[in-house]
Amino acid sequence: GAVVSQHPSRVICKSGTSVKIECRSLDFQATTMFWYRQFPKKSLMLMATSNEGSKATYEQGVEKDKFLINHASLTLSTLTVTSAHPEDSSFYICSAKRPPSLNYGYTFGSGTRLTVV
Amino acid sequence: GQQLNQSPQSMFIQEGEDVSMNCTSSSIFNTWLWYKQEPGEGPVLLIALYKAGELTSNGRLTAQFGITRKDSFLNISASIPSDVGIYFCAGPPAAGNKLTFGGGTRVLVKP
Repeated sequence: GAVVSQHPSRVICKSGTSVKIECRSLDFQATTMFWYRQFPKKSLMLMATSNEGSKATYEQGVEKDKFLINHASLTLSTLTVTSAHPEDSSFYICSAKRPPSLNYGYTFGSGTRLTVV
Repeated sequence: GQQLNQSPQSMFIQEGEDVSMNCTSSSIFNTWLWYKQEPGEGPVLLIALYKAGELTSNGRLTAQFGITRKDSFLNISASIPSDVGIYFCAGPPAAGNKLTFGGGTRVLVKP
């Protein structure tokens, strides 16, 4: 149990376009999900906390108008990179906080490699 | 914000060797988590520690939650080639919900 599916795994888009990344908890409900960004050979950097039914909480320095987060259901959070530019190219990873019945904890998606050309 | 200092940043292993890495924090953590990340994948949980002083094993992996709640170590015994990867410590601080990650330890095979 406690599987998180992230889609797509890879995406290439043109500069100026928007890209949506989905994060789904497949067998549990997640009121809280997190979005991370990871640069090559670096650690995971938290971008925002996604809360079901309310606005996301963004970390300092992360542009909320650039990285739109929607958590409309207990099993789905989406990250939309708007007007993407080459510097937005990165590895994006989501995680979902498990409920008490699954020993809390955090399950991670398999990541999305975004390349903006 | 909270910082996790993880060391070493990288290490080379030879099959059969024991390896060790650790994390220290500037603030108290309620939980220490150790993850492994393969290239192009998300992190996978190896060991979770919930109490100060706790020592937990998972196969050849052993991790401990420091008494001060500000540090943790991970040991890998009798390393094998598939132990190669990046290992991260992480935890939610005492007053928080968000995971903070250490900088990672890149484990490589000795040439």
